[in-house]
Amino acid sequence: DAMVIQNPRYQVTQFGKPVTLSCSQTLNHNVMYWYQQKSSQAPKLLFHYYDKDFNNEADTPDNFQSRRPNTSFCFLDIRSPGLGDAAMYLCATSRETGVPTQYFGPGTRLLVL
Amino acid sequence: AQRVTQPEKLLSVFKGAPVELKCNYSYSGSPELFWYVQYSRQRLQLLLRHISRESIKGFTADLNKGETSFHLKKPFAQEEDSAMYYCALSEASGTYKYIFGTGTRLKVLA
Repeated sequence: DAMVIQNPRYQVTQFGKPVTLSCSQTLNHNVMYWYQQKSSQAPKLLFHYYDKDFNNEADTPDNFQSRRPNTSFCFLDIRSPGLGDAAMYLCATSRETGVPTQYFGPGTRLLVL
Repeated sequence: AQRVTQPEKLLSVFKGAPVELKCNYSYSGSPELFWYVQYSRQRLQLLLRHISRESIKGFTADLNKGETSFHLKKPFAQEEDSAMYYCALSEASGTYKYIFGTGTRLKVLA
């Protein structure tokens, strides 16, 4: 089945230790998104890629970076995780046609010790 | 500023009762509205979008531009409808971004 895959599903890191979350897709969609979702809050868009074009949200901290080496893969790098970065991180994809539906991965839950 | 408001964090109804999950939005242009659902331990998935004007799993939603609302309705709730529901707005200008509401947890009681 074509889908959006996120690895790992759970990630534990230490305060200040860099961590990378990965997302892959078999949908061949050209737009990929990263969201942060904290408990009882709405998913918050961090950034998105339109093909290779990176689009950062104005309020996304510099601590968060992303890479998209090819159409299928996208990575979220947190350079120096703080306790406040503990959250669920959602990857989503969409295709550039009309008003796009977004397809979500299962998410990676990040715990910062 | 663009905003999506879901006033109820939790909505409990009995099986067979009507359901209405409220969604109000603030947007100056012509938005595209969506409802996403997340069942227990599953990923977020599209339930319906206003542009399709369709009924999915018995749910419907009508965009009311006068009241800036996009409420989700179902005449007879089923236990399997218990889930987290998110209303989302997409700017129709082609930026491909969503603004999500904070979600409403629906519990359908037997």
